Amino acid sequence: QQQVKQSPQSLIVQKGGISIINCAYENTAFDYFPWYQQFPGKGPALLIAIRPDVSEKKEGRFTISFNKSAKQFSLHIMDSQPGDSATYFCAASRYGGSQGNLIFGKGTKLSVKP
Amino acid sequence: DAGVIQSPRHEVTEMGQEVTLRCKPISGHDYLFWYRQTMMRGLELLIYFNNNVPIDDSGMPEDRFSAKMPNASFSTLKIQPSEPRDSAVYFCASSLGFAGYTFGSGTRLTVV
Repeated sequence: QQQVKQSPQSLIVQKGGISIINCAYENTAFDYFPWYQQFPGKGPALLIAIRPDVSEKKEGRFTISFNKSAKQFSLHIMDSQPGDSATYFCAASRYGGSQGNLIFGKGTKLSVKP
Repeated sequence: DAGVIQSPRHEVTEMGQEVTLRCKPISGHDYLFWYRQTMMRGLELLIYFNNNVPIDDSGMPEDRFSAKMPNASFSTLKIQPSEPRDSAVYFCASSLGFAGYTFGSGTRLTVV
């Protein structure tokens, strides 16, 4: 019940295309859903996050869509660029609770071809 | 702000040796996390501290692993004795509350 399942494992997209990464969770107590971006040789960095009181959050070319009833959330990268090539991790936690440590998905390696 | 600082960046050691990884969190952050990253298992939480106190160490793989946080600006993760299967990238992260972790650049550990 603590798992966050992420798909696909890898993704190849042409420049200008839309990249979509999906995550699913079981624990209905999760109430904070961030996405992290990791470049080779670097630590993961917070990209965008959402709370379940909204169904969508957009920051520039990055959008999180959240479906509470399906217990799923996804990251959409519009107009994908070669510089977006990285590994993306979804995560979930009980924000502010005593068990609030982030549970990470296994990651998606995105390659954007020029 | 220099971010979360980890040292060393790379460590190569022989099986059986003691390894100590170091982390300096962001000043003012009250949570500190140690993660291990491998291709097979992804990002695994090993242990986390709140205000220098260990809260959950259930992810520490075995007694060979230990972590300390003697003050708000320093933490160590020690492996003694090290084994080849400990080879991984170890990340330290800190946060104010649980949201918005800031990760360090990691320590790549190779045990031969």
